[in-house]
Amino acid sequence: DGGITQSPKYLFRKEGQNVTLSCEQNLNHDAMYWYRQDPGQGLRLIYYSQIVNDFQKGDIAEGYSVSREKKESFPLTVTSAQKNPTAFYLCASTPQWGGLTEAFFGQGTRLTVV
Amino acid sequence: GDSVTQMEGPVTLSEEAFLTINCTYTATGYPSLFWYVQYPGEGLQLLLKATKADDKGSNKGFEATYRKETTSFHLEKGSVQVSDSAVYFCALKDNFNKFYFGSGTKLNVKP
Repeated sequence: DGGITQSPKYLFRKEGQNVTLSCEQNLNHDAMYWYRQDPGQGLRLIYYSQIVNDFQKGDIAEGYSVSREKKESFPLTVTSAQKNPTAFYLCASTPQWGGLTEAFFGQGTRLTVV
Repeated sequence: GDSVTQMEGPVTLSEEAFLTINCTYTATGYPSLFWYVQYPGEGLQLLLKATKADDKGSNKGFEATYRKETTSFHLEKGSVQVSDSAVYFCALKDNFNKFYFGSGTKLNVKP
């Protein structure tokens, strides 16, 4: 079945460490997104990518980095510069840039700093 | 800039009650509008969508109509079930494929 796979589902990080969240899609979608969700709050855009080897900062990019070396993969690195990284992270994709279709979401990764 | 505002929750209803969750938006151009549902610990699932004014999206008994004159996209269901308990997000997509989400409304349905 086609879809978006995020891994791991739960992730624990020690303070001062970098950690990478995986997002893979087999939907052949062009655009991919990373969102952060805090308890009881909506989604905030971290980074997005329209095509391979290109990405743009979203509203809360500080302390995060991404890469888009392959169409199907858009990993997110949470660096030690991110002051409050504990949150639920959601990856999403859409079929084409500028189309009228919805975003498809992964199941999320819950990151906890210990 | 573009934005979405939806009613704060939680909304608590008895089973078979009528549901309305209000959503209004601000946008330039001609956005597409969406309702997503999120169950605990999971990602967002598309519930319904509308891509132009006066379109009605519907799915699983839920409906929402794209009202350009009132810039609204209210979610309704005639008879809620316990299994509808979740968080509901209103969202818009602008002409540049960027999404804007509301803050979410938690629905609790009691048997």
